[in-house]
Amino acid sequence: GIQVEQSPPDLILQEGANSTLRCNFSDSVNNLQWFHQNPWGQLINLFYIPSGTKQNGRLSATTVATERYSLLYISSSQTTDSGVYFCAVVPRNNAGNMLTFGGGTRLMVKP
Amino acid sequence: DGGITQSPKYLFRKEGQNVTLSCEQNLNHDAMYWYRQDPGQGLRLIYYSQIVNDFQKGDIAEGYSVSREKKESFPLTVTSAQKNPTAFYLCASSTGTSYNEQFFGPGTRLTVL
Repeated sequence: GIQVEQSPPDLILQEGANSTLRCNFSDSVNNLQWFHQNPWGQLINLFYIPSGTKQNGRLSATTVATERYSLLYISSSQTTDSGVYFCAVVPRNNAGNMLTFGGGTRLMVKP
Repeated sequence: DGGITQSPKYLFRKEGQNVTLSCEQNLNHDAMYWYRQDPGQGLRLIYYSQIVNDFQKGDIAEGYSVSREKKESFPLTVTSAQKNPTAFYLCASSTGTSYNEQFFGPGTRLTVL
């Protein structure tokens, strides 16, 4: 099956710093989503981005489908950005819209 | 409010007991999914359903069962055959095709004592 790798696995930032999270995937995809998992476990949808670039406030994401990677940018980080960021994809040959998740990037933003 | 609800939030069970986790959505989504998350890991698919009265096994279906009698509801039963059931369980839904976004409920934390 498709492999999804996220880097870095852990990241510690000082409040106000910028960061880039990466997601590599091993095959063509129909769907790519970025999620933030808060300390209570809730998965919050950040972006649905199978290709192209999107921005939402301090967050933006870019997916280069032909090169099989996606990047999540966090600017001017805040302590509330702490948590785990997941990338998840639906492979092109998948009829059931089933997401395959990466291992996540654990982000801690210090005040 | 439109969304996905899961209950209970926390669940404790003794070894050998079956337990059922509830998932309800009022988004009028056709497809629903159950995922399992172990500590420090990503999510893995247990079962999914694209339409009422139909469901398919995911990557880790052994020891679990589901039903889809109503569009809004997709309960998951963790049976005594599941060897290591302690985990965080998340339910999701989408409009059903490969090109549509999935949305998640708040999850149920199951602990086997």
